[in-house]
Amino acid sequence: NAGVTQTPKFQVLKTGQSMTLQCAQDMNHNSMYWYRQDPGMGLRLIYYSASEGTTDKGEVPNGYNVSRLNKREFSLRLESAAPSQTSVYFCASALIWIESQYFGPGTRLLVL
Amino acid sequence: AQTVTQSQPEMSVQEAETVTLSCTYDTSESDYYLFWYKQPPSRQMILVIRQEAYKQQNATENRFSVNFQKAAKSFSLKISDSQLGDAAMYFCAYKAGNQFYFGTGTSLTVIP
Repeated sequence: NAGVTQTPKFQVLKTGQSMTLQCAQDMNHNSMYWYRQDPGMGLRLIYYSASEGTTDKGEVPNGYNVSRLNKREFSLRLESAAPSQTSVYFCASALIWIESQYFGPGTRLLVL
Repeated sequence: AQTVTQSQPEMSVQEAETVTLSCTYDTSESDYYLFWYKQPPSRQMILVIRQEAYKQQNATENRFSVNFQKAAKSFSLKISDSQLGDAAMYFCAYKAGNQFYFGTGTSLTVIP
């Protein structure tokens, strides 16, 4: 039981490049979330998926897209990376929305 | 808008002593959930404790307990018998609906 896994762990991009951050959970959770963490700002919700087949915007969705590929996987895509997207990205999952969230180890992204 | 405030950027405690981390939040909701997460240097977010707003009894998990004051919108975390492994960043979080809001964190140092 690996919990929530994220790939890659670290990535460097040039401005304008695209990439997809992958997240998978093996806990049969229904809800999944993407956050970014910036120094001094705590975590901010980018997008979430309350259940398979649905996605919704969070607090800071601009510049991102998501795909809930199936119940296990929830990916985050940066179509045209910008330096302002330099951050640590966390994926999380929960059985249902009222339950506690379980976080992955994070992906550190640097956009030059 | 919902906000979560952690007014103590840094705290320190002697090993085996007790420390209290503060958190206040702003909301117009009556049904919500509150959480404390721990983030060690590995960056992974670990759930410490959670509190349902409708419950009057304060949550407790081993050495961790909360003081939930609903009218004052206060949700502090008490760590008893502090251990070196408790050193980490602690985040207070608020959840209502499918939205999650985090505070900016308190860095806890445990002094041997």
